[in-house]
Amino acid sequence: QLQLQESGPGLVKPSETLPLACTVSGDSISSSNYYWAWIRQPPGKGLEWIGSIYSSGRAFYNPSLHSRVTISLDTSKNQFSLRLSSVTAADTAVYYCARQTATVTTRWFDPWGQGTLVTVSS
Amino acid sequence: DIPMTQSPSSLSASVGDRVTITCRAGQSISDSLNWYQHKPGKAPKLLVFAASNLQSGVPSRFSGSGSGTDFTLTIRNLQPEDLATYYCQQSYSVPPFTFGQGTKLEIK
Repeated sequence: QLQLQESGPGLVKPSETLPLACTVSGDSISSSNYYWAWIRQPPGKGLEWIGSIYSSGRAFYNPSLHSRVTISLDTSKNQFSLRLSSVTAADTAVYYCARQTATVTTRWFDPWGQGTLVTVSS
Repeated sequence: DIPMTQSPSSLSASVGDRVTITCRAGQSISDSLNWYQHKPGKAPKLLVFAASNLQSGVPSRFSGSGSGTDFTLTIRNLQPEDLATYYCQQSYSVPPFTFGQGTKLEIK
């Protein structure tokens, strides 16, 4: 059974870089024909897609965050990672990782990790 | 970006009721619409993909319909465990993927 688990610091200082990792079990991120995604939810708000990376390593990002986001694969650990630079309080959110399935006509996220709360504060 | 608007933003219903949640896209998105269930403290769960396809393992009392700009998630015979927030998400024009603002379902 495929499972995803987020990990990283729960507190990041303003202007610093937020680093998160998602460990995947039950599938190889490098051999499967899936994308791997990051999605976040600020407190009391809705879901926001951050970006996705294909098993080949090609990534694409939300234009609203593009200049600050990097998503990468670590195949040796079967993990994919998120780095969000120059964070502010507005980046405080629960961060989720998920597998993204793509067909010819549509794409969806399933399953998701449990999520990890990251607070940006000095 | 394609805005997604859900209605209502919240609703309260009784066990056994039929509940309908709607999602409207800012432009036609064909059938590229997915529905998720998010229970407090849990991982969001895919219910319906491509507008009307029930994800494996999801109870058959959940169903999705619609195409173009207007979509519906219906829950028949509402159960206590259906307490959750429900989100729609479009994948027609990306990036970015966009979600509706959510519909919070409470059980009377």
